[in-house]
Amino acid sequence: GIQVEQSPPDLILQEGANSTLRCNFSDSVNNLQWFHQNPWGQLINLFYIPSGTKQNGRLSATTVATERYSSLYISSSQTTDSGVYFCAVDDSTLTFGKGTMLLVSP
Amino acid sequence: DAGVTQSPTHLIKTRGQHVTLRCSPISGHKSVSWYQQVLGQGPQFIFQYYEKEERGRGNFPDRFSARQFPNYSSELNVNALLLGDSALYLCASAQGYNSPLHFGNGTRLTVT
Repeated sequence: GIQVEQSPPDLILQEGANSTLRCNFSDSVNNLQWFHQNPWGQLINLFYIPSGTKQNGRLSATTVATERYSSLYISSSQTTDSGVYFCAVDDSTLTFGKGTMLLVSP
Repeated sequence: DAGVTQSPTHLIKTRGQHVTLRCSPISGHKSVSWYQQVLGQGPQFIFQYYEKEERGRGNFPDRFSARQFPNYSSELNVNALLLGDSALYLCASAQGYNSPLHFGNGTRLTVT
C-alpha cells in the first residue's frame, strides 16, 4: 500500500512563531487532506488539497502531486494550534500519516 | 447544522463480548467511513460505505462488520472483542467519493 511520511514528528514553538509541516507520499493519489486533532481527540478538516495552494487565515497548504509531497504552513502560531496534524492521502482508501505533534507555548 | 454524531461516547466491554457503534452523518452526506485510532497513531481505515453499499474495506479481521441504512446512518459491529480492540473509533462522512471528510468526536472503546 501507499506510504505516508510526515515530518517532523514533534515540534515545539513559542507563540507567534511560524512553522512548516511536511507530508511525503510514495505513489500518485486522488486527493490529499490535512487534519488537526485537538487535545480532546476531535479531528478537524483543515484542507482538501489534491494539488495547488490554498489559504485559510493563518494556515496555508501546498500540494505538488508530481513530486509527491504536501506542506502545511502555520503563521503566527497560537496556543490553540497545539495538537496533532495529520495528512491523509486517498488512492482508493484514505491512508493517514503518523502525524506531527505540535506544542505552542505562551 | 449538526455535524457527524457518534454514540456512545465511551464504552467499556469485556473480552469476548460484542459491541455496536453508531454514526449519523452530516445531512446530505451519502458516504460514511469508519476508522480505528490507537494511541500515538493516525486513524486506520476500516470501512467505507457509499449509497448503502460497501465501497472499501481495510485490513481488519472478519470480526469487524458494518452497514449503512437507508437514511445514510451507519453501524460498526465488532464481535469477540480482544484487548487489542481498545481504541478510539471514528466515523467520518462526506458528500461523495472525492470530497472532504468530516469526522465525529469518536467512541472510545475499552476492552478489559
